[in-house]
Amino acid sequence: EAGVVQSPRYKIIEKKQPVAFWCNPISGHNTLYWYLQNLGQGPELLIRYENEEAVDDSQLPKDRFSAERLKGVDSTLKIQPAELGDSAVYLCASSPGTSGRPGELFFGEGSRLTVL
Amino acid sequence: GIQVEQSPPDLILQEGANSTLRCNFSDSVNNLQWFHQNPWGQLINLFYIPSGTKQNGRLSATTVATERYSLLYISSSQTTDSGVYFCAVPSWGSGTSYGKLTFGQGTILTVHP
Repeated sequence: EAGVVQSPRYKIIEKKQPVAFWCNPISGHNTLYWYLQNLGQGPELLIRYENEEAVDDSQLPKDRFSAERLKGVDSTLKIQPAELGDSAVYLCASSPGTSGRPGELFFGEGSRLTVL
Repeated sequence: GIQVEQSPPDLILQEGANSTLRCNFSDSVNNLQWFHQNPWGQLINLFYIPSGTKQNGRLSATTVATERYSLLYISSSQTTDSGVYFCAVPSWGSGTSYGKLTFGQGTILTVHP
């Protein structure tokens, strides 16, 4: 079974430029998450989707961040414009929801963003 | 929200040594996960352990939910065990809002050959 797939693995951009990250969850997983991990810290939730609905986006900085999950499968996370403080690892995770163990998450390899 | 504390923050071992990592949490929880973040940044699931004891090879974990802590045991450590170990619990403890996890700060493990 394929795991959570993310791209790109690494991205270097200049500040004020836009950037987008893509995630393909494990097949059959209805719940998808985007987490942010700053250096030396644990991941923190940005947004959670149940199918195509964003059910928890309270920690997503909506002035510059946006996300979508069309058709309830793949998802993209966009930052526009990027700021220096956005340099971090963006992690995508998925879980099977009620068909699996409650709250068990599976993470992708992450997208490491460096803003210059 | 729930607080999660991990100890020790750093651990340096010689290959073959055993170690115990601890995770304390501030409220009742209905699940707990241990992850290993490898040097390439990926979080690998180790255990889903809301209570009791589980073993997987050289690793085992115990969660004592009533006392709000979990332990991860690594025996006969290998250099490939190096990385950061995180525990994570639901942000609202034993509520039904699954998936929003609160992570500890992690334990950085370095195993020397």
